[in-house]
Amino acid sequence: DAGVIQSPRHEVTEMGQEVTLRCKPISGHNSLFWYRQTMMRGLELLIYFNNNVPIDDSGMPEDRFSAKMPNASFSTLKIQPSEPRDSAVYFCASSFRVAGEENEQFFGPGTRLTVL
Amino acid sequence: GDSVTQMEGPVTLSEEAFLTINCTYTATGYPSLFWYVQYPGEGLQLLLKATKADDKGSNKGFEATYRKETTSFHLEKGSVQVSDSAVYFCALWFSGGYNKLIFGAGTRLAVHP
Repeated sequence: DAGVIQSPRHEVTEMGQEVTLRCKPISGHNSLFWYRQTMMRGLELLIYFNNNVPIDDSGMPEDRFSAKMPNASFSTLKIQPSEPRDSAVYFCASSFRVAGEENEQFFGPGTRLTVL
Repeated sequence: GDSVTQMEGPVTLSEEAFLTINCTYTATGYPSLFWYVQYPGEGLQLLLKATKADDKGSNKGFEATYRKETTSFHLEKGSVQVSDSAVYFCALWFSGGYNKLIFGAGTRLAVHP
């Protein structure tokens, strides 16, 4: 298995532009997570999906952020409009979740976003 | 609320030294506990876990014991290598709560030859 795939690996954009980050989870996994990592705030959970349904989006910073999971093999995180404070590494992770158990989350390599 | 507290880094050691990274937690229930490791330029990966009190998780020479009485899950390794240089994250999860991992701030370990 190729693991969790994220694209692009690096993104540099200007303030005000729309940014779309993409994630392909491991085949067979039913849970998908989007995290953001910065030096100041550490690792933050933005949103997670179970069986393609958003379960908890309380970590999404504001309305400029949106996430979708149209099918079991693809998810996007969109920022519109982007701001310099959105600069961070964004990780996607997936797992196979069984009720009552927390199984290992497999992380992708991350997308390093720089907003100028 | 539920939280995880890790010792602040960076932790700097010489090769073959003994490693301890402290982790304590606050939770209203009985969580499962995890250590994840992040090597430079990569995503996190699971290092070890323990699901109930007195369980010991171990992997790659690292160990951690779930201590309910002290609400701790300290990470230890008897002899570190340069290749262990990374950021280590303690995390908790329990099904009765938010159904998501709660991570500590991470502790950076630097091992010198």
